[in-house]
Amino acid sequence: TQLLEQSPQFLSIQEGENLTVYCNSSSVFSSLQWYRQEPGEGPVLLVTVVTGGEVKKLKRLTFQFGDARKDSSLHITAAQPGDTGLYLCAGELDTNAGKSTFGDGTTLTVKP
Amino acid sequence: NAGVMQNPRHLVRRRGQEARLRCSPMKGHSHVYWYRQLPEEGLKFMVYLQKENIIDESGMPKERFSAEFPKEGPSILRIQQVVRGDSAAYFCASSPLRSASGGVLTKNIQYFGAGTRLSVL
Repeated sequence: TQLLEQSPQFLSIQEGENLTVYCNSSSVFSSLQWYRQEPGEGPVLLVTVVTGGEVKKLKRLTFQFGDARKDSSLHITAAQPGDTGLYLCAGELDTNAGKSTFGDGTTLTVKP
Repeated sequence: NAGVMQNPRHLVRRRGQEARLRCSPMKGHSHVYWYRQLPEEGLKFMVYLQKENIIDESGMPKERFSAEFPKEGPSILRIQQVVRGDSAAYFCASSPLRSASGGVLTKNIQYFGAGTRLSVL
């Protein structure tokens, strides 16, 4: 069983549309990270959220951490082709464990 | 400010050979993580190391795989007697002792290298 479930698995939209991807779990996380990965490259950290209910904005990207710290969402406004990539969430269950668990990712394609 | 450096970027091995993957963490980072990724899948944790210590190897296959992070030099992921199923992208990440986000200390702000793509023929 996957500790972090990401949905949808694949998403293909037109430039200018809005979208939301989700990262859900039955476990409580002390922190959660979102990464974006482009083909042939390593994941690049976008944001870390640590407080239940926290909302962080990064230009057209809005990240939200659920009140119970079990889930998170990433919303992209007016998507652009440059947003294309694999979006991964990763959660840290215990601040002393030093290990993150990754979801399987959402593959986003934004068509011009 | 060099990032996490992995080499080689691409590695081709025949079945039965050994593969050695190297990772130099970011300057000042004392934690190293290794992950494996299959096409269109997420990252699967393999091992977490600090200098000269393996902290968590719960994701490492029991046989043929080993990892080290010596006092001097890069971290090494070693795969002996490779098989076709070992073909994947292997990523290394590093993190500092602790990072602050929103006033909360967390260990898991990880910075990734570009990966090594292993192909076993």
